[in-house]
Amino acid sequence: AQSVTQLDSQVPVFEEAPVELRCNYSSSVSVYLFWYVQYPNQGLQLLLKYLSGSTLVKGINGFEAEFNKSQTSFHLRKPSVHISDTAEYFCAVSDAVQGAQKLVFGQGTRLTINP
Amino acid sequence: DVKVTQSSRYLVKRTGEKVFLECVQDMDHENMFWYRQDPGLGLRLIYFSYDVKMKEKGDIPEGYSVSREKKERFSLILESASTNQTSMYLCASSLFAGYTFGSGTRLTVV
Repeated sequence: AQSVTQLDSQVPVFEEAPVELRCNYSSSVSVYLFWYVQYPNQGLQLLLKYLSGSTLVKGINGFEAEFNKSQTSFHLRKPSVHISDTAEYFCAVSDAVQGAQKLVFGQGTRLTINP
Repeated sequence: DVKVTQSSRYLVKRTGEKVFLECVQDMDHENMFWYRQDPGLGLRLIYFSYDVKMKEKGDIPEGYSVSREKKERFSLILESASTNQTSMYLCASSLFAGYTFGSGTRLTVV
């Protein structure tokens, strides 16, 4: 079975500072990896995904993530954050082989941007 | 863009009531999912469906059932609502990799 661990439940950052949200996964098979963002009182929105190819993936709103197979990690980064990035961020993994593509989610990281 | 619509944003129901949460997607996706979201626990899969009239249990199916009579609609049913089912419920659909989510239904059982 797959699992996802988001290492920080809360991350406070000052505006315009860089940020990294950490995600580790475990799986015995090839995986697809995702980051989603949830703004207050909304559903989840896809930030970026890794399916294959380049291990550095660029997403919306200036975010990027790097797939590291040896460390089973998929950390999310942004070089300079804005107040509008305040949200909850979820890392997720799915089996790259099995049908239906069930996603397993981490517990979430609440990113708070302070002025 | 794919749109996933959940019929209610907020619901308040009484203990013991039968509750229906409706979800509709407009892009002919094969797969649909119901998750519940609770603070500190992330999203947990309740049920999913990969075709009409097909359903599979997720990680926490107890106390829930589902119905998928048409491809675009996936309903979550709480047979007899209990206070521990107070939560945010999220519906999603997918064709291949990655989901499109609805806005969620915040259910309170009193």
